Amino acid sequence: DTAVSQTPKYLVTQMGNDKSIKCEQNLGHDTMYWYKQDSKKFLKIMFSYNNKELIINETVPNRFSPKSPDKAHLNLHINSLELGDSAVYFCASSQFGTGGDEQYFGPGTRLTVT
Amino acid sequence: SQQGEEDPQALSIQEGENATMNCSYKTSINNLQWYRQNSGRGLVHLILIRSNEREKHSGRLRVTLDTSKKSSSLLITASRAADTASYFCATADSYNTDKLIFGTGTRLQVFP
Repeated sequence: DTAVSQTPKYLVTQMGNDKSIKCEQNLGHDTMYWYKQDSKKFLKIMFSYNNKELIINETVPNRFSPKSPDKAHLNLHINSLELGDSAVYFCASSQFGTGGDEQYFGPGTRLTVT
Repeated sequence: SQQGEEDPQALSIQEGENATMNCSYKTSINNLQWYRQNSGRGLVHLILIRSNEREKHSGRLRVTLDTSKKSSSLLITASRAADTASYFCATADSYNTDKLIFGTGTRLQVFP
């Protein structure tokens, strides 16, 4: 029973392509997140959704568009991929999303743009 | 940058020794959390300490928090090879508790 799952685990694509990463959580949590972890292991929040509503939208190029069809799913679509988008993308969820409650992370999607 | 700093960046010890990692942050916080990341995996929550707490224990983990110095430490006692991982602190800002700010991480290597 995977709590937070992501697909695909690996994604190799060429510059200029459009790709999506999917995330699902079965914890019944209200809030979901997307993080980007770069090659130096820096982990930075990109977006968060609380019950399908966008809460956090950090300074991220508008080529990145999150979509939450329901509170158990948060997908990330990336248009016109660039070399600098290569990173590991993590989805996470938390019960409330406020007060800094603990977060549960997915296994990550390693995106390589060539 | 809001990102916290962790010290040391890398730490190598023998099994059975204790490992101490430090985290410094910049803002007033609601709580501070520690996470572990095994190679190629997602982060796993270890422990949360609130701003009004000074010390917390969980198994072989001991976390301290000094809000006056804006710093925290994670002590792993009697380390095991399976403790080999990267360890990150993360802070929930007092004024914007919707997000966690992660530190730069400490890579811990425990040799059998």
